[in-house]
Amino acid sequence: ETGVTQTPRHLVMGMTNKKSLKCEQHLGHNAMYWYKQSAKKPLELMFVYNFKEQTENNSVPSRFSPECPNSSHLFLHLHTLQPEDSALYLCASSQDLGFDSPLHFGNGTRLTVT
Amino acid sequence: LAKTTQPISMDSYEGQEVNITCSHNNIATNDYITWYQQFPSQGPRFIIQGYKTKVTNEVASLFIPADRKSSTLSLPRVSLSDTAVYYCLVGGTGANNLFFGTGTRLTVIP
Repeated sequence: ETGVTQTPRHLVMGMTNKKSLKCEQHLGHNAMYWYKQSAKKPLELMFVYNFKEQTENNSVPSRFSPECPNSSHLFLHLHTLQPEDSALYLCASSQDLGFDSPLHFGNGTRLTVT
Repeated sequence: LAKTTQPISMDSYEGQEVNITCSHNNIATNDYITWYQQFPSQGPRFIIQGYKTKVTNEVASLFIPADRKSSTLSLPRVSLSDTAVYYCLVGGTGANNLFFGTGTRLTVIP
């Protein structure tokens, strides 16, 4: 148990489907993040939320749509994805945006786009 | 944003001490140095963080020289379960500092 729970663990979807990834943190943190990790590539920061407000969108295509209804929950809505979007999607949280506030990651959702 | 450079991979035998060095020549005054460990198909896990000199916890030690242009993660007496990718991050306040590099793939050999 990491304190950050992601569901589902695995997801296979077609390019015309719409699906959502869910992240929940039980740590009382105020900041939440989405990262993408493709095979043999570094983690890519996608979105950052602080106190439910989006503070960072790292030039992510609009087919990825985040939602943060409260400080404990974060969603990533997916639609009309491409095969190159297949990757491990990781959610993380931290107490705040200060760099001395370490990130706590979930175990990710392994997404395959067919 | 301070760029970091780490060796791509390292091998070590079980029971040995492993030192992984990270170079960060343009580290800023208010930057911290943080190390994470990642196993396959899992999210990275925080190991240790420091600002200067030496920091030690139950898992590792972090050595930072006075000029702070590099840092060394030291893992004492590694076991097979320490096989993972280790990331060094350097940054200060703000989400735009939360970028991971390629990391160092450590393989522990029996």
